[in-house]
Amino acid sequence: GQQLNQSPQSMFIQEGEDVSMNCTSSSIFNTWLWYKQDPGEGPVLLIALYKAGELTSNGRLTAQFGTTRKDSFLNISASIPSDVGIYFCAGQEGSQGNLIFGKGTKLSVKP
Amino acid sequence: SQTIHQWPATLVQPVGSPLSLECTVEGTSNPNLYWYRQAAGRGLQLLFYSVGIGQISSEVPQNLSASRPQDRQFILSSKKLLLSDSGFYLCAWSVSWGGYGYTFGSGTRLTVV
Repeated sequence: GQQLNQSPQSMFIQEGEDVSMNCTSSSIFNTWLWYKQDPGEGPVLLIALYKAGELTSNGRLTAQFGTTRKDSFLNISASIPSDVGIYFCAGQEGSQGNLIFGKGTKLSVKP
Repeated sequence: SQTIHQWPATLVQPVGSPLSLECTVEGTSNPNLYWYRQAAGRGLQLLFYSVGIGQISSEVPQNLSASRPQDRQFILSSKKLLLSDSGFYLCAWSVSWGGYGYTFGSGTRLTVV
């Protein structure tokens, strides 16, 4: 089946640093989504991308839909302790069909 | 606005006991509904999804079953729990075509002892 390769698996950074993570796919996706999961909670949608090349920001977060439609990245600028959690990418191939999730990037931020 | 409710938040059950986790969605009709399991705080494993009442698709053969007795109700069950059933269970919903992503519940932490 389809797979998403999300990297890195984990990151340990200092407060104030910028963060970058990405996902790649063997399939072309029509939709890319980025979620954040706080410890003990369900994932929450951060950013949704619907067009190749689209660059979207949400506060300190910026995500891009790759031009090949097989990848996406998420950047977090000036990280703060509350950025701690697991970040998931997800893709959808067609207009319907289940989302495919990456395995997550666990972010730890040292104050 | 739409909301999703999932309960209980935590559950400790002995091996061999039955399980019933419930999920309900408010503020929408004919949603797609999903059950995921997350082990060790990492990846999301899709267990079941449903596109309508009584319609259940299983992604992974296992000791669990799902039912959708009403449009906005999704139940995860087991007749006899195994130690390996421990994990964090998440319910989610989406509009029927899924393009706006999934909205997740707050999860149930299940520990089988």
